[in-house]
Amino acid sequence: SQTIHQWPATLVQPVGSPLSLECTVEGTSNPNLYWYRQAAGRGLQLLFYSVGIGQISSEVPQNLSASRPQDRQFILSSKKLLLSDSGFYLCAWAMSSYNSPLHFGNGTRLTVT
Amino acid sequence: AQRVTQPEKLLSVFKGAPVELKCNYSYSGSPELFWYVQYSRQRLQLLLRHISRESIKGFTADLNKGETSFHLKKPFAQEEDSAMYYCALETSGSRLTFGEGTQLTVNP
Repeated sequence: SQTIHQWPATLVQPVGSPLSLECTVEGTSNPNLYWYRQAAGRGLQLLFYSVGIGQISSEVPQNLSASRPQDRQFILSSKKLLLSDSGFYLCAWAMSSYNSPLHFGNGTRLTVT
Repeated sequence: AQRVTQPEKLLSVFKGAPVELKCNYSYSGSPELFWYVQYSRQRLQLLLRHISRESIKGFTADLNKGETSFHLKKPFAQEEDSAMYYCALETSGSRLTFGEGTQLTVNP
C-alpha cells in the first residue's frame, strides 16, 4: 500500500534562517506531488505541485521554493524565512490521472520567531 | 478563475438532526468536486467525490450545476461526525482548489 511521510512534525526557526521540509511517498510511481499551506480560517492554499522529476509549478509568488530531486521526494525550501511563513504545511500525493483523490501527510507546524 | 466558497465557518447541530454543509463553486470548465474531512488528530482525508455518486458514512453530496453547488448532507448527524470539512474543486493539471472549511460540531 502507498504511504506518505512528512517531516519534521514541528519546527521553530528564527527569521532569516533557511528552511527545508521533506516529503516522501512509498508504494507508487510517478505520483503528482503537492505542497499546501493550511491557515486558520483561510482553508488550504496550494503552493506548489509537481507532475514529474524536476517539474515544479508555483501557484503563488512567495518566499518559498520547491524541488523534486527524485520521483517520490518533494522538498519545500526557503533561503531566508519571514515571519509570515509561519503556518501548517501539508504535503500530498495523487495518482497522475484525472479525478484522483489527494492523500495527505501529517503536516508540519512551522513557527518563525 | 476557479473559486470554492463555504459560507459557514462553524456549524453546530444536535445528534440525530439533519446536517447540511454548503459549498458553492465558480469554474468555467466541467467541475470535478470533492469533500475532504479532518477528524481531530487525524490526517486530512477524502470523504467523497461527486463522480462516484456514493454515500460515505451516511453523507451524500449532489452536484447542482445550475446553482453551482455541491452541498454535503446527512439525514441524522452523529457525534463522531464532528470534524473540519473542506469542499474542493479539481481543475486542470489535477490541482485542487479548497474552500475555507466548515467546522462541524455535533452535540449530544
